[in-house]
Amino acid sequence: GAGVSQTPSNKVTEKGKYVELRCDPISGHTALYWYRQSLGQGPEFLIYFQGTGAADDSGLPNDRFFAVRPEGSVSTLKIQRTERGDSAVYLCASSSGLAGGVGELFFGEGSRLTVL
Amino acid sequence: GNSVTQMEGPVTLSEEAFLTINCTYTATGYPSLFWYVQYPGEGLQLLLKATKADDKGSNKGFEATYRKETTSFHLEKGSVQVSDSAVYFCALRGSSASKIIFGSGTRLSIRP
Repeated sequence: GAGVSQTPSNKVTEKGKYVELRCDPISGHTALYWYRQSLGQGPEFLIYFQGTGAADDSGLPNDRFFAVRPEGSVSTLKIQRTERGDSAVYLCASSSGLAGGVGELFFGEGSRLTVL
Repeated sequence: GNSVTQMEGPVTLSEEAFLTINCTYTATGYPSLFWYVQYPGEGLQLLLKATKADDKGSNKGFEATYRKETTSFHLEKGSVQVSDSAVYFCALRGSSASKIIFGSGTRLSIRP
């Protein structure tokens, strides 16, 4: 597609369950970012991929969160043993060029996660 | 570490009013600075950017100047329109890192 695609757009789960969120970036974009946005807050950085490798995962809050990008395109954010505090909109963004490009991120519409 | 602080909203203005949304930053080195906008029902998108001191970014009538002496990147527009109603985020990319960090956002509402 023309833009960044995220699925599902909405996910409701129960506390303790496992969740996967998928991001399909713009074709040819080498950099891919995951952010988390709570209501009334700005996007909070989670992890950044350059190609297949995680260039910076310093924003992952704990070891329940993990992300992969095995072929350098689609990425999956995985959350184990979900907690109510994980409820947020998870945003994916991609960017072209080396080292994330000059900073223009193209965002998807987000996956809204609700943990009951 | 690096951080971005922007004025809290919401900000409500009448159409054709002058707009300023303040943004200050803390960073080592020479970061790049950005304003992103989120219109109702849409994803975040880049509004403008500046990559070095004294650069002015501009787009859609909005401007922001990278001021290293005051560590600021305030967003301005001379005459706002109803269609400018959105949430505006100031953001920073550190010179030695590729992650982009965002401020908390400022909601702007323009009344006709």
